[in-house]
Amino acid sequence: DAKTTQPTSMDCAEGRAANLPCNHSTISGNEYVYWYRQIHSQGPQYIIHGLKNNETNEMASLIITEDRKSSTLILPHATLRDTAVYYCIVRVGRNGGSQGNLIFGKGTKLSVKP
Amino acid sequence: DTGVSQNPRHKITKRGQNVTFRCDPISEHNRLYWYRQTLGQGPEFLTYFQNEAQLEKSRLLSDRFSAERPKGSFSTLEIQRTEQGDSAMYLCASGWDRQHTEAFFGQGTRLTVV
Repeated sequence: DAKTTQPTSMDCAEGRAANLPCNHSTISGNEYVYWYRQIHSQGPQYIIHGLKNNETNEMASLIITEDRKSSTLILPHATLRDTAVYYCIVRVGRNGGSQGNLIFGKGTKLSVKP
Repeated sequence: DTGVSQNPRHKITKRGQNVTFRCDPISEHNRLYWYRQTLGQGPEFLTYFQNEAQLEKSRLLSDRFSAERPKGSFSTLEIQRTEQGDSAMYLCASGWDRQHTEAFFGQGTRLTVV
């Protein structure tokens, strides 16, 4: 599975969009990009995933560059409850397998401030 | 259903003692995963089950660690002859054996070895 690089920490003002970057320059053609977050004292929570097209769900948007070497997770209107560590994970989409055996890095600590 | 449940939430033990943690997954999920997380690091994959079969074990899972899922429902993780380096949060997750389906994590068991 390809390695990812994320900033250690970021700040965002409440109500503004939070844009969290992730570099995965060694990604291969069959590897997906997954995002999870971990709020303090809780287990990680799935946010979104994608292969090459941009994706959007009720939590966030995922923008993947055309060369797939980087991506950005967008939280459109950050709230204080979005303060968490955000993990970008690159993983082969294995047939028959769910996302459970993931390789987490250190992630980005996002602090949403009033 | 209240999600993935882990017990106990906290455990303090003396070095050399054995400890056992329990995980109750979301009832219809056939995959169950164990992770370990130390302070400031992302979760590290340990092992996973499909139903009662243990399908993958990380190199992190030393001989002192054993996991079971005897009836394909709840799982236990036992650590024998605990060491101070075993102090960590132990996370359990469950999911389906279908590609890209998300993993749902419990709140973890925090182990402190003194």
